[in-house]
Amino acid sequence: DAGITQSPRHKVTETGTPVTLRCHQTENHRYMYWYRQDPGHGLRLIHYSYGVKDTDKGEVSDGYSVSRSKTEDFLLTLESATSSQTSVYFCAISGVGTQGYGYTFGSGTRLTVV
Amino acid sequence: GDSVTQMEGPVTLSEEAFLTINCTYTATGYPSLFWYVQYPGEGLQLLLKATKADDKGSNKGFEATYRKETTSFHLEKGSVQVSDSAVYFCALSASGGSYIPTFGRGTSLIVHP
Repeated sequence: DAGITQSPRHKVTETGTPVTLRCHQTENHRYMYWYRQDPGHGLRLIHYSYGVKDTDKGEVSDGYSVSRSKTEDFLLTLESATSSQTSVYFCAISGVGTQGYGYTFGSGTRLTVV
Repeated sequence: GDSVTQMEGPVTLSEEAFLTINCTYTATGYPSLFWYVQYPGEGLQLLLKATKADDKGSNKGFEATYRKETTSFHLEKGSVQVSDSAVYFCALSASGGSYIPTFGRGTSLIVHP
């Protein structure tokens, strides 16, 4: 996980509250992604960013928003947490021209909504 | 759109057995192909990759060959160890695209002593 950290690693929150997860990178990579991982579904893309203030939706973006005000930080916000958003969230990064080099993932944030 | 299909698991083997995890893909153009491994409680780690047809990626005794004619990228290892127990993900990255990777659903491997 060198160069990419997620915080917090674990969080328990109540239904209806807003939650923000942080992804921080030191690689100066242009692309950043947020995924959720659930049993039986594999990895599903929530949102991604292709530059500062440039973001777009993935396949499961409802109920989530993102912001990227600096190259190194990509924030994922659950606007009003629901139990269906209990999941493990992963951030990933990749650089321009690194299509053939793969992606680097963070260690994940385990979120429980009660 | 692009897609990746992996064999469903779990795959259960005894130590020193031969491993194959099948992966096939659908994509336009010439994607790069990857295998990632996820150990319990951790994020995904890149295991190996291949960027063009007939390339063989290899790492830690694992191998996979990019077969364009069969659109496959099967993962193999000649002799698995208990420490190889993990979830394995096949993925592709489309050429000239938006750099959004497409992942398979993952295959769980359990190796018994």
